[in-house]
Amino acid sequence: QVQLQQSGPGLVKPSQTLSLTCAISGASVSSNSDSWHWIRQSPSRGLEWLGRTYHRSKWYNEYAESVKSRIIINPDTSKNRFSLQLNFVTPEDTAVYYCARISGSGKYYFDYWGQGTLVTVSS
Amino acid sequence: EIVLTQSPATLSLSPGERATLSCRASQSVSSNLAWYQQKPGQGPRLLIYDASKRATGIPARFSGSGSGTDFTLTISSLEPEDFAVYYCQQRSNWPLLFTFGPGTKVDIK
Repeated sequence: QVQLQQSGPGLVKPSQTLSLTCAISGASVSSNSDSWHWIRQSPSRGLEWLGRTYHRSKWYNEYAESVKSRIIINPDTSKNRFSLQLNFVTPEDTAVYYCARISGSGKYYFDYWGQGTLVTVSS
Repeated sequence: EIVLTQSPATLSLSPGERATLSCRASQSVSSNLAWYQQKPGQGPRLLIYDASKRATGIPARFSGSGSGTDFTLTISSLEPEDFAVYYCQQRSNWPLLFTFGPGTKVDIK
């Protein structure tokens, strides 16, 4: 059974960096068939995909155009987890953030999700 | 960018009734459409993928149909635990983007 456990602060100041981590159990971040994603949810923007990291002989990262200039998703193979870094946050980045998995190359649906982390951007 | 729209926004029904939810894509997604259920304080739960295939552990009262641009999620007889928000989702390749519909809330009449 795959489990994704999120951690990170719930309050970030404007212009600073949002950092979250997603610890994986029951699967491997280095899997050559899975991909690991960050998604956020807010009343104004709904569910919004932010980006993914995955390993296919080497590491790949892909990001949504809406956040591409501000986002980094990194795998951590030593701890079997991956992280989200979103720079220069504004109040519009206030949302519940989820990590999630897609299993299988070429698949498009998320079969496991983290518990969600409410991140508020406020001074 | 492919846009997903869902209707109705809210569906008020009683336990035991049939629920029919619609998802429409702005251009064809073939059968590459998934449905999720979300309850308050929880992350989305995968119900249906490839338009009509039930995910592991999903009861048979949930069914999906459709292809191209028009899709339907049907709950044949609502159980108390089915009152929730339902989202459809697809992937576009150029540029890569996973998008969700705005959701349909199924609430108790």
